Formats: sequence, C-alpha cells, structure tokens
Amino acid sequence: GENVEQHPSTLSVQEGDSAVIKCTYSDSASNYFPWYKQELGKGPQLIIDIRSNVGEKKDQRIAVTLNKTAKHFSLHITETQPEDSAVYFCAASSLSGYALNFGKGTSLLVTP
Amino acid sequence: GAGVSQTPSNKVTEKGKYVELRCDPISGHTALYWYRQSLGQGPEFLIYFQGTGAADDSGLPNDRFFAVRPEGSVSTLKIQRTERGDSAVYLCASSPTGGGTEAFFGQGTRLTVV
Repeated sequence: GENVEQHPSTLSVQEGDSAVIKCTYSDSASNYFPWYKQELGKGPQLIIDIRSNVGEKKDQRIAVTLNKTAKHFSLHITETQPEDSAVYFCAASSLSGYALNFGKGTSLLVTP
Repeated sequence: GAGVSQTPSNKVTEKGKYVELRCDPISGHTALYWYRQSLGQGPEFLIYFQGTGAADDSGLPNDRFFAVRPEGSVSTLKIQRTERGDSAVYLCASSPTGGGTEAFFGQGTRLTVV
C-alpha cells in the first residue's frame, strides 16, 4: 500500500523563525495532499491542502509545495508563533482516491 | 456551523466487552470515514461510507470490528470482544462528497481496554 514518510519527527524553532516539514509518498496515482495540525486531546485540523495539478499554494504564513516527479511535498510555516506548537501530519490520497495515508507526524515546538 | 461530533469522548471497558462509538458528521456531508490513531502515530484508515453503504472496509483489522450508517448520517463503530490492543483514539471524519475533498475530523473517542 501507500507509504508516506515524514521528517523530522520533532522540530524546535524560536518564535519568528521558519519551520519546514517534508514528506515523501510512494504511489504515483496520489493526487491530493492535505496537511493537518493536531493539538493535544483534539482531532486533526485541516490547515492547507494541495492537488497534483498545482506546484505551490500559500495561505498567509503557511505554504505547501509539491514535486510530483520526485514524489515529495513540504509544509512551510513562516514567522512562527508559540500557538503554532502542535503535531503536524502530512497525508496523501490512497489508490482508492478517498482514504488518506498519513505520515507519522512532526512535533513542532515554538519557543518564545 | 457544527463540526463532526463524536461520543463518548472517553471510554474505558474491560477486555472481552462490546463497545459502540458514535459519530455525527457535518450536516450534508455524504462521505464519512473512521480512522484509528495509536499513540505517536498518524491516523490509520478503517472504513469509508458513501451515503448509507460501506464503500471500502478494507482497513478494518478483523471481523470483531463493524460499522454502520443506516440513514446516511450518523455512524456507529462497533467492536466485539475487545482486546487490550484495541486501545487507541478512534477518529471520525466527514467530507462533502468524498474522493479527494477536504475531510474534517472530530475530536475522537479515546478507547481504553483494561
């Protein structure tokens, strides 16, 4: 089945710095790539997504890039704030087209 | 508007017992998903409903797990003869149409089998 690898598993940055999380996937048929933020005790919250016909998408301080040839996509958070601290998950659509395969998560800590 | 609602938020049960976990999706969403999340891991797909029918139940780990969505809205995940290995957070998500559209998750039900 689809394999989604996510790096790093933990990331610590100072407030105001940028954070980058990278994911790779194995199935060339994947065409939808969402990113989720999960805070302790809560469900994952969709923060941004990208489809295979687009190379980059930006929403305020958050951007996602996709390289379909290399099968990797990345999340970029600029001007980080302490409230950005959470676990971030990347995901890729499965062969079925509707189920998502998730990475193992990146625990981001933004220190003041 | 209201998001995906899951009840109970926490459930502790004894090994061998039967449990039911409920999911109320966002109104009007035809697609509904169940995922399971173990500690320190990403969510793992269990089952997908489009309307009332289970379009894909390939992620259910064994025949002790079953899910229904009789009226195309609320869904119930049922686990028979629970085992300690079933302990996890069970997440429900819904999306407007399925098939690569945004999926919105509930807060999850934390199941602990003792």
